[in-house]
Amino acid sequence: DQQVKQNSPSLSVQEGRISILNCDYTNSMFDYFLWYKKYPAEGPTFLISISSIKDKNEDGRFTVFLNKSAKHLSLHIVPSQPGDSAVYFCAASRTDSWGKLQFGAGTQVVVTP
Amino acid sequence: EPEVTQTPSHQVTQMGQEVILRCVPISNHLYFYWYRQILGQKVEFLVSFYNNEISEKSEIFDDQFSVERPDGSNFTLKIRSTKLEDSAMYFCASSDSEGDQETQYFGPGTRLLVL
Repeated sequence: DQQVKQNSPSLSVQEGRISILNCDYTNSMFDYFLWYKKYPAEGPTFLISISSIKDKNEDGRFTVFLNKSAKHLSLHIVPSQPGDSAVYFCAASRTDSWGKLQFGAGTQVVVTP
Repeated sequence: EPEVTQTPSHQVTQMGQEVILRCVPISNHLYFYWYRQILGQKVEFLVSFYNNEISEKSEIFDDQFSVERPDGSNFTLKIRSTKLEDSAMYFCASSDSEGDQETQYFGPGTRLLVL
């Protein structure tokens, strides 16, 4: 079941620069999208979300962009900090699916000094 | 800040045994979920639960699995007759009651190892 795809398994970025994480989906019925961050041995931590009625949502250093026609979303982190080093998961859900989240495989972000 | 808690953090069991994984969701949340992540694989949805009933379950969630809210605070996942392939991280999550698009907050997980 590859309805949510994160094609980049890893990303290395310098501290202070922008991190851009990408996510593609195939199911046009998805109407809510979330990004989670995960450290080893911890659960996913919610970062930011976006509804399908929007194309951008911003929260501090984190901005999520949604391109429905391309079935693509991205997460921008500016500026990147060493504490941002983690695995980032994209997730999607449908209003009629009782909260069932479909996750991508994750992107490992490493922020270097 | 309210958080989802899970116990135990690690569980080792013999194949064929039953295990119960416990979760305490955020106190004012009414929707509860279980997910699992097999090592090296995606986080997978197992089941959602609301008003003392299963709302939706995945094909993974067969008769081997059951969920229960035995009291006002705990939410449990029971796995009967465990198999080697049940070894995974199991995450509990909860969300608020309002609206259809609610953020799910995850617990730290229980690492289950079936030998």
